[in-house]
Amino acid sequence: KAGVTQTPRYLIKTRGQQVTLSCSPISGHRSVSWYQQTPGQGLQFLFEYFSETQRNKGNFPGRFSGRQFSNSRSEMNVSTLELGDSALYLCASSLAQGRGANVLTFGAGSRLTVL
Amino acid sequence: GNSVTQMEGPVTLSEEAFLTINCTYTATGYPSPFWYVQYPGEGLQLLLKATKADDKGSNKGFEATYRKETTSFHLEKGSVQVSDSAVYFCALTDNSGGSNYKLTFGKGTLLTVNP
Repeated sequence: KAGVTQTPRYLIKTRGQQVTLSCSPISGHRSVSWYQQTPGQGLQFLFEYFSETQRNKGNFPGRFSGRQFSNSRSEMNVSTLELGDSALYLCASSLAQGRGANVLTFGAGSRLTVL
Repeated sequence: GNSVTQMEGPVTLSEEAFLTINCTYTATGYPSPFWYVQYPGEGLQLLLKATKADDKGSNKGFEATYRKETTSFHLEKGSVQVSDSAVYFCALTDNSGGSNYKLTFGKGTLLTVNP
């Protein structure tokens, strides 16, 4: 069974640019969540999608957005990049129903560097 | 909201030593605790979890018991190996409402095991 796949794994952008990150969940998983990991703030919740709807959102500015497609694949977008957006962005998927519904399986992450 | 406090480390042990990483939390609703592990350059992997009070989660020699009265979920292993060197994260999800899969993480504990 394929795991959670995130692309790209590494990318470098400059301030003011925008970036789109992609996440393909485990087959059959309908919930996709995004987290930002930085040395200073640790792991912080960005948002969660289920059936193409955003169900939960963390405390991030509106520059951070996401969406989920009908096949459960998800993308997140960060516009007008700032140096502080440099981080590892982790995607996680879960069944969202039944036994083990709240168990998240994480991808390897997309490491974004903003110069 | 929920908060998780864990021993920050770093923790350095010799092979076969006993490991304890403390984790306590404050939460509303019906929290479920987890331990995740992150190896260098990788995403997070679920190590173990508990669902209800006094549940003991176990995996790969690691154990943790969900103590509701002390709001704790301490991680233990009787004999660590060099391959256990990683960052360990205590996390909590709030199951109230049935649709919230947001994880709140501790800051992480870096464990280094020397041969």
